[in-house]
Order: sequence, then C-alpha cells, then structure tokens
Amino acid sequence: SQTIHQWPATLVQPVGSPLSLECTVEGTSNPNLYWYRQAAGRGLQLLFYSVGIGQISSEVPQNLSASRPQDRQFILSSKKLLLSDSGFYLCAWKGGAGSVYGYTFGSGTRLTVV
Amino acid sequence: GEDVEQSLFLSVREGDSSVINCTYTDSSSTYLYWYKQEPGAGLQLLTYIFSNMDMKQDQRLTVLLNKKDKHLSLRIADTQTGDSAIYFCAETLSGTYKYIFGTGTRLKVLA
Repeated sequence: SQTIHQWPATLVQPVGSPLSLECTVEGTSNPNLYWYRQAAGRGLQLLFYSVGIGQISSEVPQNLSASRPQDRQFILSSKKLLLSDSGFYLCAWKGGAGSVYGYTFGSGTRLTVV
Repeated sequence: GEDVEQSLFLSVREGDSSVINCTYTDSSSTYLYWYKQEPGAGLQLLTYIFSNMDMKQDQRLTVLLNKKDKHLSLRIADTQTGDSAIYFCAETLSGTYKYIFGTGTRLKVLA
C-alpha cells in the first residue's frame, strides 16, 4: 500500500535561519508530489508541485524553494526564514492527472518562526 | 478565476444532520472532493463525486452536485462528536495537475 512520510512534525526556528522539510512516498512510482501551506484559520495554498525528478513548478512567488532529488522524495527549503513563513505545511501525492482518488496527504509539519 | 468558497463555521447538535456547502468555479472540473482535517493532522479524503453525477451516498455521507449553479454540498447524517473537524471541498482544474481547495468549514458538534 502507498504511504507518505513527512517530518518533522513540529519545528520552531528563528527568523533568518534555514529550513528543510522532507517528504517521502512509499509503494508507488513516479507520483505527482505537492507542497501546501495552511496558515492559521485559512485554507490550503499550493506552493509547489512536481511531476518528476528535477521538475518543480512554483505556484506563488515566495521565500521558499522545492527540490525533487529522487522519484519519491520531495524537499521544501528556505535559506532564510521569515515570520510570515509560519504555518502548517502539508506534503501530498497523487497518481497522475487522471487519478480519481485525489490526494493522499502527509501528517503535516507545524512550523513556527520566532 | 480559481476560487472555491465555503462558509467558515457550522455548529450542530449531536444526532442532527450537518450540511456543508461549497461553491466552485471551474465548470469543466472532472471530479469534486470532500476532505476532512482533524486537529493537528493532515487531510483525509472522505468522498468524491464525478461531474456527471448529481448525488452520491456513502453510509452517513451524501454528496449533492448542482452543476448549473456550481454548488456542491456534503450532508452528514446523525452527526457525532467525532465528526468535529474542518471540512474542505476541492475541485480539479481540467487538464492540469492542480486541485483548488476551499477555505474549509469548521464543524463543531455539540453534545
């Protein structure tokens, strides 16, 4: 069965520090991978998606970047965190544009920038 | 534009029915989804409906789709305290890999 792992679960980082959040998927190959951010009391904002190794699409201009060094690994990074980067970050995978079963989400990382 | 709208809050008594509404924008969306998010957790797919359907029932859940008005609803029968969560609707944008999520409706079930 397919599973998705996301870590760490919580993170408190000072302003200006770097960030690396990792997401890995098991039990599937060539998944479409996504990073979403959920700010407090708000909906989900799509940050990045990837349809293959080294292929990253950015949805919004921001302080963050993403990389996909391996087929089932998706990394969210920042060189210098801002206070506005605080939020709940969710990784998700999907089996292709025609997949009916929607996304499978990781358990999320709560990032607090202080 | 890409905008999926939901009311932010809903409060119901245990045992009553809950109806969560959603208005979407892309008339060519192939599938529409309902997700549930419990506190501090990721999103869990509850159910989905294909765009050529008007209704789908799955145990206590009933999804109604009005394509003319671009309106989607989720009815939860016999609502329980364990149903307290945030519920998101989502649409697929045709020909893309993207989903657009609503802002989420926070359902509070009163004992």
